[in-house]
Amino acid sequence: SQKIEQNSEALNIQEGKTATLTCNYTNYSPAYLQWYRQDPGRGPVFLLLIRENEKEKRKERLKVTFDTTLKQSLFHITASQPADSATYLCARPNSGGYQKVTFGTGTKLQVIP
Amino acid sequence: NAGVTQTPKFRILKIGQSMTLQCTQDMNHNYMYWYRQDPGMGLKLIYYSVGAGITDKGEVPNGYNVSRSTTEDFPLRLELAAPSQTSVYFCASSPGGHNEKLFFGSGTQLSVL
Repeated sequence: SQKIEQNSEALNIQEGKTATLTCNYTNYSPAYLQWYRQDPGRGPVFLLLIRENEKEKRKERLKVTFDTTLKQSLFHITASQPADSATYLCARPNSGGYQKVTFGTGTKLQVIP
Repeated sequence: NAGVTQTPKFRILKIGQSMTLQCTQDMNHNYMYWYRQDPGMGLKLIYYSVGAGITDKGEVPNGYNVSRSTTEDFPLRLELAAPSQTSVYFCASSPGGHNEKLFFGSGTQLSVL
């Protein structure tokens, strides 16, 4: 089965620093990876999608990379703010069909003022 | 647009009771999903649908049933509630095809006692 692994330990960083979250996948490289943000008591909200043939993608202070050799995606938040504190989820489609989307357990980010 | 709407937000069931979690979307999306999220865990796919009249099992379908009679609605049925079904349930939708982001509802917190 295709798995998504994220560091389940919380990540604490100082305001203004760059936060880097890791997402590792097993088996074949998916056609794309997605990143979502989830706040307590809320549903996940889509942030970014990066395709297999894209090395890097940016959106404002967010940057995502996709390394098919390492089977890894990195999610960066530059100039982090306390409002960035949330759980960040990585997701991939399954080989059985793009309809099935598998999520990682998420990494909880805490930005300390 | 309301997006994806889930009802109820909270529910307590006794063991053996049944209930239906409602989900409706007003974005004319083809794909709809049901996930459950246990504390500290990622989202587990229960069932999904690629269009009206078509449903398929996800990773953890046992104890649940779904139907998709219209594009808008995708209810999730628990027939004989068990404590193991205590969880937060999220409904999601997407336009269809691949490389498409998921739009999530705000979730239903269910406790089975």
